[in-house]
Amino acid sequence: DGGITQSPKYLFRKEGQNVTLSCEQNLNHDAMYWYRQDPGQGLRLIYYSQIVNDFQKGDIAEGYSVSREKKESFPLTVTSAQKNPTAFYLCASSYSIGPANYGYTFGSGTRLTVV
Amino acid sequence: AQTVTQSQPEMSVQEAETVTLSCTYDTSESDYYLFWYKQPPSRQMILVIRQEAYKQQNATENRFSVNFQKAAKSFSLKISDSQLGDAAMYFCAYRSADSGGSNYKLTFGKGTLLTVNP
Repeated sequence: DGGITQSPKYLFRKEGQNVTLSCEQNLNHDAMYWYRQDPGQGLRLIYYSQIVNDFQKGDIAEGYSVSREKKESFPLTVTSAQKNPTAFYLCASSYSIGPANYGYTFGSGTRLTVV
Repeated sequence: AQTVTQSQPEMSVQEAETVTLSCTYDTSESDYYLFWYKQPPSRQMILVIRQEAYKQQNATENRFSVNFQKAAKSFSLKISDSQLGDAAMYFCAYRSADSGGSNYKLTFGKGTLLTVNP
């Protein structure tokens, strides 16, 4: 079955460390997205990519980096520059051409905690 | 930039009754899509219902229906015959119909936490 896989489900990071969250999809979607979810804040866009080797900053990109070397993969690195990284991170994908009414397909998320 | 507002941080409903969740949005575009997503305690985001702005008919999916008022920029979700499994966080979201640039981004509201009482 097609879908999006995020790993790991839980991740613990020591202060000053970089960590990378994995996101893989087999839906043949062109576009991929990373959102951060905090209580009472809804979902806020970190980065998105509409084609391979290209990506754009979202609303809260500071302290994060991404790459898009393959259509199927869109890893997110949380760097030591991110001052408050403890949050729930959601990856999503969609078609980037054609009808936009399909919405997104989401992964199951990664809970990142700074220890 | 588009904004989505959900004015009810929390709502509760008795099992088998009906509840309506509110959503308003701000946009200068005439063509767009609106969505309701459900996030249960598992935190998996599930698409509940979608509405194309050019369609006047309100979307319906089984017990879920919307009241789309384009002029008022309002998009409320009605859940009929509420079930315990409907308990979740519900997010309203907006997406431009323009396929250019960054317009495939979804903009989310802050969510409404729905509790279903037995």
